[in-house]
Amino acid sequence: QSALTQPASVSGSPGQSITVSCTGTSSDVGGYNYVSWYQQHPGKAPKLMIYDVSNRPSGVSDRFSGSKSGNTASLTISGLQAEDEANYYCSSYTSSSTLVFGGGTKLTVL
Amino acid sequence: QVQLVQSGAEVKKPGASVKVSCKASGYTFTSYYMHWVRQAPGQGLEWVGMIIPSGGSTSYAREFQGRVTMTRDTSTSTVYMELSALRSEDTAVYYCARDYCSGGGCYFLDYWGQGTLVTVSS
Repeated sequence: QSALTQPASVSGSPGQSITVSCTGTSSDVGGYNYVSWYQQHPGKAPKLMIYDVSNRPSGVSDRFSGSKSGNTASLTISGLQAEDEANYYCSSYTSSSTLVFGGGTKLTVL
Repeated sequence: QVQLVQSGAEVKKPGASVKVSCKASGYTFTSYYMHWVRQAPGQGLEWVGMIIPSGGSTSYAREFQGRVTMTRDTSTSTVYMELSALRSEDTAVYYCARDYCSGGGCYFLDYWGQGTLVTVSS
């Protein structure tokens, strides 16, 4: 199972919005709504930010939102804040009943 | 509150095996699948596999089949991941992470252990 494709890096200024893409295939992202997004700060464990494509767990800011079109899922962060600077990973359930992650995207807040 | 506490760092020689534990508390252990994810230094996340604590069924990523074994002890609410035939590329932080859904896997990981660094070096 190949990793999902994410841009290596994105950047934005405080207050702006950014979008991170996550491209898979019809056997993973395109075939199921089991897409999730994780935030990871250096030296820390990942944190679930979005599940089921667009749902936020309790306690996650509504500045974070998710969507999907075809084989590509997207994470949008609005009103960028300094603490949003982190690595972001998407993941998807697959037709092989496994889980696959994206390669990760480093978000820099300028 | 939900907690996943993992065993400490390990240093192993190539060809050896390592067994990492993950003790769960704060919820009904048998109601949630448990996954293992690893992260090599400076690299991304990689799914290793998962175990269903209620019955012990497992599912492993193809890359690890034949080398990984996941087990559980319901009396202590602990899951274990054993990786054999270690090579230098297995050097990574290994995380256990609980599945979000009760009673069935939905493959979203809501609680994570603190991670266990496994170093493979001669």
